[in-house]
Amino acid sequence: GESVGLHLPTLSVQEGDNSIINCAYSNSASDYFIWYKQESGKGPQFIIDIRSNMNKRQGQRVTVLLNKTVKHLSLQIAATQPGDSAVYFCAENMRATGKLIFGQGTTLQVKP
Amino acid sequence: SQTIHQWPATLVQPVGSPLSLECTVEGTSNPNLYWYRQAAGRGLQLLFYSVGIGQISSEVPQNLSASRPQDRQFILSSKKLLLSDSGFYLCAWSPRGSNQPQHFGDGTRLSIL
Repeated sequence: GESVGLHLPTLSVQEGDNSIINCAYSNSASDYFIWYKQESGKGPQFIIDIRSNMNKRQGQRVTVLLNKTVKHLSLQIAATQPGDSAVYFCAENMRATGKLIFGQGTTLQVKP
Repeated sequence: SQTIHQWPATLVQPVGSPLSLECTVEGTSNPNLYWYRQAAGRGLQLLFYSVGIGQISSEVPQNLSASRPQDRQFILSSKKLLLSDSGFYLCAWSPRGSNQPQHFGDGTRLSIL
């Protein structure tokens, strides 16, 4: 069945380095993708989104890349800071249903 | 700006007791509303969603129900809680229309004893 998954459950980076969090999706009909950040005890926070007619979108310190050929989504965080430590989820919007399907999450640990 | 409120933040309930979790959205009209459950260390599972007052779609068979008595109010209920109902419950809203992000509240941590 369709699924959204993350390649690594935990990513550990040094403060100041760039982080790359990856996500694979299996539904070729998905047309919209979102990255969320979830800190402990809080709800997921919207970071950035991208539509399927784009392959790159940039925000403040974050970039999302979409490769529809291999059904791969990534989130790049520049100059990672301790405040970036959290669980990151990718989500895909299934065009037919309009619902979001979430991946299992990647924990980002930033070492000082 | 739009805000979403959930309460309570934490709740401890005995098995067999009833449940009512409330979610309200401010600063928008006619939102889509959602209830999710998140098990520890896991992703989000959609439980219910609503596109309008009194319109509820259930995603998974379960011991819970949802209601939308007002445009910006979404309630998650149970008549008799089970141990398996423990978890982190999240409410979310999105604007009408396709390809819109969902925005989440800060959740309710529900523990069943």
